[in-house]
Amino acid sequence: GQNIDQPTEMTATEGAIVQINCTYQTSGFNGLFWYQQHAGEAPTFLSYNVLDGLEEKGRFSSFLSRSKGYSYLLLKELQMKDSASYLCAVRASYNTDKLIFGTGTRLQVFP
Amino acid sequence: DAMVIQNPRYQVTQFGKPVTLSCSQTLNHNVMYWYQQKSSQAPKLLFHYYDKDFNNEADTPDNFQSRRPNTSFCFLDIRSPGLGDAAMYLCATSHVDEKLFFGSGTQLSVL
Repeated sequence: GQNIDQPTEMTATEGAIVQINCTYQTSGFNGLFWYQQHAGEAPTFLSYNVLDGLEEKGRFSSFLSRSKGYSYLLLKELQMKDSASYLCAVRASYNTDKLIFGTGTRLQVFP
Repeated sequence: DAMVIQNPRYQVTQFGKPVTLSCSQTLNHNVMYWYQQKSSQAPKLLFHYYDKDFNNEADTPDNFQSRRPNTSFCFLDIRSPGLGDAAMYLCATSHVDEKLFFGSGTQLSVL
């Protein structure tokens, strides 16, 4: 089966750094995505990894290790507006366009 | 701006009364998706289209159907909504093997 695991909730302080982990067991692998979702809104794209290593984009970075089935999203200089759910999603095969989503990590940033 | 548009933003229907949710896109993407997301859960893929090729998930109830009359439009039909079908319905589009762009979602309530 396909399984994507993330912590359910995390808390952090404004200005701090937080790392959100994601582990996956899927029948195949053709890329991992991170999306941000504010309550009651649609997910918005944050990052994409298909090769091992770190992808940096401003305050957000994402890391992938395919051999370990592991990714993390790193958020630096946290702001109050970063309070949201962060969804890890895997494209599980080369011959499919579908993304399988984890249940998301709800991050609360406190002043 | 090019985007994915879902109407309406909120939809209320009665138990058993057919309802149709709509999605349109100006991105000219060949893949369109319908996801169902319940509170604090992962988005769950219901169907996706690659151009006119329809792909139904094995566990999508028969109560849910979809139409894609052209590249720009896609519809989700719920033939006989039950209380358990109350959820956020997310439409998304993509080019093959690329990131998904989501619409703002339709929050469906069933009375």
